[in-house]
Amino acid sequence: DAMVIQNPRYQVTQFGKPVTLSCSQTLNHNVMYWYQQKSSQAPKLLFHYYDKDFNNEADTPDNFQSRRPNTSFCFLDIRSPGLGDAAMYLCATSRLVAGSNQPQHFGDGTRLSIL
Amino acid sequence: LAKTTQPISMDSYEGQEVNITCSHNNIATNDYITWYQQFPSQGPRFIIQGYKTKVTNEVASLFIPADRKSSTLSLPRVSLSDTAVYYCLVGDGSGGYNKLIFGAGTRLAVHP
Repeated sequence: DAMVIQNPRYQVTQFGKPVTLSCSQTLNHNVMYWYQQKSSQAPKLLFHYYDKDFNNEADTPDNFQSRRPNTSFCFLDIRSPGLGDAAMYLCATSRLVAGSNQPQHFGDGTRLSIL
Repeated sequence: LAKTTQPISMDSYEGQEVNITCSHNNIATNDYITWYQQFPSQGPRFIIQGYKTKVTNEVASLFIPADRKSSTLSLPRVSLSDTAVYYCLVGDGSGGYNKLIFGAGTRLAVHP
């Protein structure tokens, strides 16, 4: 089945040690998003790519970066994770259709723990 | 982006119909109304979307009054597996895709 795949499902890293989370999609969607979801909170959009165009949310810390080397893959890099960055990180995709509001397809997330 | 307001939590019993109402007083002309469902340790899953009047699919119905300042998600005959958080979002897809700003969501608990 076409889907959004996030690996790994669980990631543990040390305080201050860079970590990369990955997302791949088989939907061939133009747009890819990264969200952060802390415990018992709603998902919060960090940034998104429309094709290769990167769009950062105004309140996303500089500690968070992203790369999209091709249509299928997108990476979230956390340069120096702090304890407050422990969360579920969700990747989503959507298709670009002019004048239409296409739903987003989410992966099941990577739960990041910071030691 | 229009802000949404939903009840924080709701309780129901198996076999009942559940209606979750969402308020979006500042909805713009181009905004669609979309509902997502999220189970623990999973990503949100698209349920239904509408612009006006009524939309129905195999999972739910969405009722939108003429002024579009609110909407109601209706889940017919819920089961235990419908226990989840339900998010109502409004967004402008006129650019071809949609940034989602999630509100707090409604935590639905279905009891035997």
